[in-house]
Amino acid sequence: DIQMTQSPSSLSASVGDRVTITCRASQNIFTYLNWYHQQPGKAPKLLIYGTSNLQNGVPARFGGGGSGTDFTLTISSLQPEDIGTYYCQQSHSTVLSFGSGTKVEI
Amino acid sequence: QVQLQESGPGLVKPSQSLSLICTVSGSSITSGTYFWTWIRQSAGKGLEWIGHIYVSGNTIYNPSLKSRVNISVDTSKGQLSLKVASVTAADTAVYYCARGLLGVFTHFDYWGQGAPVTVSS
Repeated sequence: DIQMTQSPSSLSASVGDRVTITCRASQNIFTYLNWYHQQPGKAPKLLIYGTSNLQNGVPARFGGGGSGTDFTLTISSLQPEDIGTYYCQQSHSTVLSFGSGTKVEI
Repeated sequence: QVQLQESGPGLVKPSQSLSLICTVSGSSITSGTYFWTWIRQSAGKGLEWIGHIYVSGNTIYNPSLKSRVNISVDTSKGQLSLKVASVTAADTAVYYCARGLLGVFTHFDYWGQGAPVTVSS
């Protein structure tokens, strides 16, 4: 099974800051990497699929990059509604798996 | 618009079976473009993929749960179901159903609001 490791596990930043979250896969997953955002008390919401493709309706301040085993999610200018937990998820293997999450606070 | 709604008992006794239903609206559950997934989240923990089912009826399960889990679809009702046998306190979680979009980059584009389940006597 493919293990996904995120860092940091939590971070605190100010409104307007540039924030970067890292996700590492235990083996090569090419660009089969998705990102989700979960606000407190809500279901996760798809942000980015295929490493860098923005889901419809997601603000352009979100961006993704990487390939192979190392990936990043960047928020170019943090907004109050961006608080919550971010999860990466690999879809290279038929046995899917999520990262452990990165909690973002302001 | 696409909506998924989980339903089922919120309390299950240890050693019994947990059964949940996900009702899908606004999307054809028989479309070959999608697959249908269950994911759970324990309190304060991350997301755990349970398994999913394709239109063909083929299923893929998380190896850690495979021996206790069954996912099925009732196409006439537009519903997805989950059964977990021999539950313990470790199965206490919020259970989500989600729609998976097949393609070059498979991902979950719509989620239900989640159904909390507590395993306790």
